[in-house]
Amino acid sequence: DIQLTQSPSFLSASVGDRVTITCRASQGISSFLGWYQQKPGKAPKLLIYAASTVQSGVPSRFSGSGSGTEFTLTISSLQPEDFATYYCQQFNSYPLTFGGGTKVEIK
Amino acid sequence: EVQLVESGGGLVQPGGSLRLSCAASEFIVSSNYMSWARQAPGKGLEWVSVIYTSGSAYYADSVKGRFTISRDNSKNTLYLQMNSLRAEDTAVYYCARTGSGYGERYMDVWGKGTTVTVSS
Repeated sequence: DIQLTQSPSFLSASVGDRVTITCRASQGISSFLGWYQQKPGKAPKLLIYAASTVQSGVPSRFSGSGSGTEFTLTISSLQPEDFATYYCQQFNSYPLTFGGGTKVEIK
Repeated sequence: EVQLVESGGGLVQPGGSLRLSCAASEFIVSSNYMSWARQAPGKGLEWVSVIYTSGSAYYADSVKGRFTISRDNSKNTLYLQMNSLRAEDTAVYYCARTGSGYGERYMDVWGKGTTVTVSS
């Protein structure tokens, strides 16, 4: 199984900050990776797929990059509604796996 | 509005069975790949199963042989039959529309989830 390791697992940031979250895969997965945002008590929301393609309707402050084993999700200017937990997921092979999550909290 | 609504969750004893349903609106379940994922209390997300338009299905090792994904085209509904339930199956279960391209199994539409609790 492909393991995804997210870092950090927790980060504290202020509105307006640039935030970067990393996702490392245990083996190469090309660009077959996505990012989701989840708020407490809510379903996940797809932000990014194919490592860098922004899902329709997602604000342009969200971007993704990377290929192979290392990927990043960047929020260029953190907004109050962005405080949530973020997960990466690989689509390279079954079983599909998620990273452990990164919780973004208000500083 | 494109929407998924899960139902069928509840409290069940270890070893028991439960069938979850996921009704779709404004798109056709049988024309899409569909998945189930789950989230144990206070934990991260875990992919459970996917069904292709062809009917082929894949499962997480943790549920293989116990869970079965299926659909009813006439009802435009996805199902997850869960047998031999264990305490570690306790979670919120989500259904999701899933991408069909190679390496594109991203989940772009999610239901709100249904809670399954396995306890005596």
